[in-house]
Amino acid sequence: AQKVTQAQTEISVVEKEDVTLDCVYETRDTTYYLFWYKQPPSGELVFLIRRNSFDEQNEISGRYSWNFQKSTSSFNFTITASQVVDSAVYFCALSDNNAGNMLTFGGGTRLMVKP
Amino acid sequence: GAGVSQSPRYKVAKRGQDVALRCDPISGHVSLFWYQQALGQGPEFLTYFQNEAQLDKSGLPSDRFFAERPEGSVSTLKIQRTQQEDSAVYLCASSLATGHYEQYFGPGTRLTVT
Repeated sequence: AQKVTQAQTEISVVEKEDVTLDCVYETRDTTYYLFWYKQPPSGELVFLIRRNSFDEQNEISGRYSWNFQKSTSSFNFTITASQVVDSAVYFCALSDNNAGNMLTFGGGTRLMVKP
Repeated sequence: GAGVSQSPRYKVAKRGQDVALRCDPISGHVSLFWYQQALGQGPEFLTYFQNEAQLDKSGLPSDRFFAERPEGSVSTLKIQRTQQEDSAVYLCASSLATGHYEQYFGPGTRLTVT
């Protein structure tokens, strides 16, 4: 069965600090996809990134970067120079062939960025 | 273009009442998903449609939950004889095609059963 664990339930940082959100996943499939979503206070989940299991290249998008390591089954998310607007709950999710197209979400990490 | 919309945004129901939650996916999106999000937790899968076909309903918690998408676009999630444990946010998501594509979520319907 597939599982996603986000061990950090809540993180608080001061603006301009870098912060890394951890995500560890479990799956028996060799083909799978990993996602990160942001859920601001408004409640709507916002798609951030999708990676497949065959592409281990790290990715950078502006202040966001993702570190995918199959050896440790981790897909961590780093925000550089955090801003107050980054305050939200962040979810890591997994989709694999066993479960069809559904997303299995972690419990989320609440990030609070203080001015 | 327009994103996924859901209505109502908030619903208060007395225990035992039936409710219907509506989802309008992004136009042209083949796949549609329903998730349930309890307070302080991640969303949990309920059911999945590919066009009008309900291909997976393994996440529906009981036979009181029923979903349909008769014309392959708008979907309705119905909960009969609501219970307090049904209180949650119900999220709808759509994606362009079948497969492991990114899903775009609506704002959710917050259901409170009193």
